[in-house]
Amino acid sequence: GAVVSQHPSWVICKSGTSVKIECRSLDFQATTMFWYRQFPKQSLMLMATSNEGSKATYEQGVEKDKFLINHASLTLSTLTVTSAHPEDSSFYICSAEVDRSLGGYTFGSGTRLTVV
Amino acid sequence: GQQVMQIPQYQHVQEGEDFTTYCNSSTTLSNIQWYKQRPGGHPVFLIQLVKSGEVKKQKRLTFQFGEAKKNSSLHITATQTTDVGTYFCAGIRYNFNKFYFGSGTKLNVKP
Repeated sequence: GAVVSQHPSWVICKSGTSVKIECRSLDFQATTMFWYRQFPKQSLMLMATSNEGSKATYEQGVEKDKFLINHASLTLSTLTVTSAHPEDSSFYICSAEVDRSLGGYTFGSGTRLTVV
Repeated sequence: GQQVMQIPQYQHVQEGEDFTTYCNSSTTLSNIQWYKQRPGGHPVFLIQLVKSGEVKKQKRLTFQFGEAKKNSSLHITATQTTDVGTYFCAGIRYNFNKFYFGSGTKLNVKP
């Protein structure tokens, strides 16, 4: 089946540094990818919609300058957490639509970010 | 923004008992999807419901979409320990190509 590869699986960084998370669709083209964050024991919160070749669409309350999204090709979307702070520590996960007729989105395996 | 509420938040059952989680939206949905997330894992797509009043089954799992397309349910018959995890619904509004997750129901099954 369709696979979205997400890297890294976990990362620890110092406050003030930037972290880049990559999501690649391995055997299909993803025009659109979605980025979520999930706090412990909570649901997934949509952060932004990443569109290939155009600017990302951010949800209300999400700082676009803080969370930079780039979708330069049909198989790669990246999320960069800039000037990370401890409150940015979270589980970040991407997803891509596989088949609109069947529904369902395939998710990456997620990235656990810890900012110290 | 769209709110998708899900109850209960937690459910502890004895193996063999049934389990149901309910999802309610403040707005009419184009379709609704259900996902399962195991501890430490990522969400895995289970099913999509599109039609009003639709009912779909996957072995011991039964999914329903309300007539008004504002609510949905997932019912598991005779739970097994492998059913442990958090079940999320995700609703999509008409003309919006993005969806919002419910708060999830964490299921624990005691052997």
